[in-house]
Amino acid sequence: QVQLQQSGPGLVRPSQTLSLSCVISGDSVSSNTAAWNWIRQSPSRGLQWLGRTYYRSKWGYDYAESLSDRIRITADTSKNQLSLQLNFVTPEDTAVYFCARGQENSAWYGSLGTMDVWGQGTLVTVSS
Amino acid sequence: IQMTQSPSSLSASVGDRVTITCRAGQSISGYLNWYQQKPGKAPELLIHTASRLFNGVPSRFSASGSGTDFTLTISNLQPEDFATYFCQQSFSTPTITFGQGTRLEIK
Repeated sequence: QVQLQQSGPGLVRPSQTLSLSCVISGDSVSSNTAAWNWIRQSPSRGLQWLGRTYYRSKWGYDYAESLSDRIRITADTSKNQLSLQLNFVTPEDTAVYFCARGQENSAWYGSLGTMDVWGQGTLVTVSS
Repeated sequence: IQMTQSPSSLSASVGDRVTITCRAGQSISGYLNWYQQKPGKAPELLIHTASRLFNGVPSRFSASGSGTDFTLTISNLQPEDFATYFCQQSFSTPTITFGQGTRLEIK
């Protein structure tokens, strides 16, 4: 059974960096059939995809265009985890942040874009 | 790709049948997923590929559609079904987008 366990601070000061981690159990961050995503949810924006990392002989990264100058996603194979860094945060970055897995499946349309496993979510508030 | 759900909220009783609609801003073929979210929890996958039940999802959930118009139907509503439901397109993976959600409340 695949599980994603998130951790990280719940309060970040404006202009600082938001950092979250997501430890994977039951799967591997370097799986060549998975993609590991970060998604956030707020009342104003709803559910918003932020970015993902995946391993296919080498690491690949995709980011939401609106955040591409502030976001970084990394994978740590020794800890089997993925991490999110979001720089220069503002109160608009206040949200619940989720990590989630997309898994290749030839029988599914858009399987890598289908989130079949989610972390528990972390509420991050940006405030001074 | 913009995803628009209707209604935004819905009241129903246990045993009722309800339908939620999702419209995509462009044709997405069958690249449509449905999720259920309960308060304080992460979304959970219910339906993928527009109409296929995910593992362990009860058969009272069904879905259909293709192109731009999709529906999720829940028959014989159970108490545990009162939650918020989201559609999501995977046509433009990795840039997936979600509908704004439909909150299903007990009447």
